[in-house]
Amino acid sequence: DVKVTQSSRYLVKRTGEKVFLECVQDMDHENMFWYRQDPGLGLRLIYFSYDVKMKEKGDIPEGYSVSREKKERFSLILESASTNQTSMYLCASSQDRKAFFGQGTRLTVV
Amino acid sequence: AQRVTQPEKLLSVFKGAPVELKCNYSYSGSPELFWYVQYSRQRLQLLLRHISRESIKGFTADLNKGETSFHLKKPFAQEEDSAMYYCALSGHNFNKFYFGSGTKLNVKP
Repeated sequence: DVKVTQSSRYLVKRTGEKVFLECVQDMDHENMFWYRQDPGLGLRLIYFSYDVKMKEKGDIPEGYSVSREKKERFSLILESASTNQTSMYLCASSQDRKAFFGQGTRLTVV
Repeated sequence: AQRVTQPEKLLSVFKGAPVELKCNYSYSGSPELFWYVQYSRQRLQLLLRHISRESIKGFTADLNKGETSFHLKKPFAQEEDSAMYYCALSGHNFNKFYFGSGTKLNVKP
């Protein structure tokens, strides 16, 4: 089974802090994604990466950046966390148009 | 632009009743459609995809290109079907998935 692992289940950060969310997959997938999940809004794509060092903006990239230095690892960076970035963040990887998700990181910005 | 619409935020049915979760999409081309499910305290996982034409856990979904719909159906709902269901679309750029806002299914005993 594909395993997608997010480094933290819960995070609490202060406004203005730089925040790193880490995601690792173990199946050599080329595609990796970061979504945020909000009630009533579903999953919205922040960024995705289709290869090492390659990235593309999703629908809501503002306030976020990403890093993919190794194939198995995709990091989401909040440059200066704000309260409106309080959300559940989901990482996924995909192969043959099947997406596999991590368990999610619930980030609270206070 | 691509869009996935799930009109119902919450759907409550009794055990044994039929259930239909609606999904409509807009896409200028031939997309691939999926249903994903998230059970309580579990990660989001693929339930089924239209090209597979399979039934998973008693659920089926048929792609209707004329109505641009991909409704999820089950003839007899079970309590263990209670979960959050997301319809998703993958288009020409098969790297990307677009999700609807989700429908919470509550199956009452």
